[in-house]
Amino acid sequence: SQTIHQWPATLVQPVGSPLSLECTVEGTSNPNLYWYRQAAGRGLQLLFYSIGIGQISSEVPQNLSASRPQDRQFILSSKKLLLSDSGFYLCAWSSWGGMNTEAFFGQGTRLTVV
Amino acid sequence: AQSVSQHNHHVILSEAASLELGCNYSYGGTVNLFWYVQYPGQHLQLLLKYFSGDPLVKGIKGFEAEFIKSKFSFNLRKPSVQWSDTAEYFCAVNARNAGNMLTFGGGTRLMVKP
Repeated sequence: SQTIHQWPATLVQPVGSPLSLECTVEGTSNPNLYWYRQAAGRGLQLLFYSIGIGQISSEVPQNLSASRPQDRQFILSSKKLLLSDSGFYLCAWSSWGGMNTEAFFGQGTRLTVV
Repeated sequence: AQSVSQHNHHVILSEAASLELGCNYSYGGTVNLFWYVQYPGQHLQLLLKYFSGDPLVKGIKGFEAEFIKSKFSFNLRKPSVQWSDTAEYFCAVNARNAGNMLTFGGGTRLMVKP
């Protein structure tokens, strides 16, 4: 069966420090991968999605970037964190190519920038 | 681009009360529709989904949702809520030609009082 791993679960980082959140999927190949941010009272905002290795689309201009170095690995990064980057970050995957599939979510990372 | 609106941000109900959470989307093409739920301290999980066919779909834990195409709506219902339904509920849409990219509503926080 397919599983999605996301780490770390919580992270406290100072302003100006770098960020790297990792997400890996097991049990499937060539998935669509997504990074969402959940801010209090604002629902889930799609940050990045990827349909293949090295193929990243950004939905919102921001201080973050994403990379997909391997088929089932998706990394969210920042060179210098801002206070406004605090939030709950969720990685998700869905099957590639099928039109009728849902997304499956990781456990999330609670990021607090201090 | 598609958008999703959830008009109720916070809902408080007593046990055994009936529930209806509104969800409206804007997109002119064919869509898939989802309701996700996030229980306190848990990851986001799928409650129910609509792809085609019967517009009244039944999900887990006694939830159902009705797709009304003419109203661009996909409201979530439950005849009798339980304390364990306390959670945040998210409506989501993906356009059939958008690579399974989900657009989420802002979420509705439901609190059920015992």
